Amino acid sequence: GESVGLHLPTLSVQEGDNSIINCAYSNSASDYFIWYKQESGKGPQFIIDIRSNMDKRQGQRVTVLLNKTVKHLSLQIAATQPGDSAVYFCADYFGNEKLTFGTGTRLTIIP
Amino acid sequence: ETGVTQTPRHLVMGMTNKKSLKCEQHLGHNAMYWYKQSAKKPLELMFVYNFKEQTENNSVPSRFSPECPNSSHLFLHLHTLQPEDSALYLCASSQYIGLGTGELFFGEGSRLTVL
Repeated sequence: GESVGLHLPTLSVQEGDNSIINCAYSNSASDYFIWYKQESGKGPQFIIDIRSNMDKRQGQRVTVLLNKTVKHLSLQIAATQPGDSAVYFCADYFGNEKLTFGTGTRLTIIP
Repeated sequence: ETGVTQTPRHLVMGMTNKKSLKCEQHLGHNAMYWYKQSAKKPLELMFVYNFKEQTENNSVPSRFSPECPNSSHLFLHLHTLQPEDSALYLCASSQYIGLGTGELFFGEGSRLTVL
């Protein structure tokens, strides 16, 4: 079946460095992607989204890149801070009403 | 504070108990969702309600029974659960359902343990 959010399970980054979290998806018809952040003891929180007609979108300290050729999505976090420690999920829509989530990457910031 | 409040935050129940999870959103949204989050698995969509009408039941066992009395409130009634149902149950809401309205606002979840 189709899948999304094939993540590396963990990533450790030095505080102040940039983080890149990757996500692969299998459905070439996916047309809208979202990144969520889930801190310990909390629900997922929307970070940024991107449509399939774009290849890059920037937010505050975050950038999402979409490569439809290889079906790959990445979230870049600039100058990581301790508060960035969380699990990050990508999710996609492919024409229906449901978001499909991946398993997530746990980002740990090393002081 | 996301505007979505879930109670209780923690629940321990036996397999023969009946309990309910409650979700309330103060965002004026029209769609509400129940998700199940188990360790090392993707979030699993359980139910979707749009304008109080159920639009999605993702093959959820009947021991989980949702109720949506109005667009602001969503319940998940639990009966004769199994230990493998232990998980974090997340409620979410969105303005509408469908493409382009992907921003879901999640509550902090109800951690359920079934003994």
